[in-house]
Amino acid sequence: GAVVSQHPSRVICKSGTSVKIECRSLDFQATTMFWYRQFPKQSLMLMATSNEGSKATYEQGVEKDKFLINHASLTLSTLTVTSAHPEDSSFYICSAHPGQGDGYTFGSGTRLTVV
Amino acid sequence: AQSVTQPDIHITVSEGASLELRCNYSYGATPYLFWYVQSPGQGLQLLLKYFSGDTLVQGIKGFEAEFKRSQSSFNLRKPSVHWSDAAEYFCAVGRSNTGNQFYFGTGTSLTVIP
Repeated sequence: GAVVSQHPSRVICKSGTSVKIECRSLDFQATTMFWYRQFPKQSLMLMATSNEGSKATYEQGVEKDKFLINHASLTLSTLTVTSAHPEDSSFYICSAHPGQGDGYTFGSGTRLTVV
Repeated sequence: AQSVTQPDIHITVSEGASLELRCNYSYGATPYLFWYVQSPGQGLQLLLKYFSGDTLVQGIKGFEAEFKRSQSSFNLRKPSVHWSDAAEYFCAVGRSNTGNQFYFGTGTSLTVIP
């Protein structure tokens, strides 16, 4: 079946630094990928829609200058958390649709801890 | 406005007992409905989905769900719960299966006791 690979699974960084998270579709092409954020004990909130070859679309309240999204190819989208703060610590998950009859395929998530 | 409600934040069941997780939605169009499961520290796995046709859908791991349009519900059921079913369960609704209008409920945490 369709697989979305997300890397790294866990990352710890210092305040003020930047962290890049990668999301890859392994066996299908994805012109669109989605980035979600999940706080502890809460649901997933869509942050942005990543579009191959064009600018990402951000949800209301999400700082586009802080969460940089690049969709470099049909199989890779990256989310860069810039100038990270402890309040950015969260679980970030990407998803894509394989183009068939199933729902979205999700990556395994990235646990970001900013210290 | 579109929304998904999972009334039960946490449910505890005994192993071997039956399970029903509730999901109600509010959506302006014909919805696409999904149930996902998330194990601790993991991503989401699709359990089942409903797009059209038979309102009782079968999924993986012995789960099923029934779409009831009159009640705007899509409850998840399993006749006999296993200890490995302990996880977080999310109901989701979308306008289609490819668009970005995809909304998650707040999740139901399932604990299974021996």
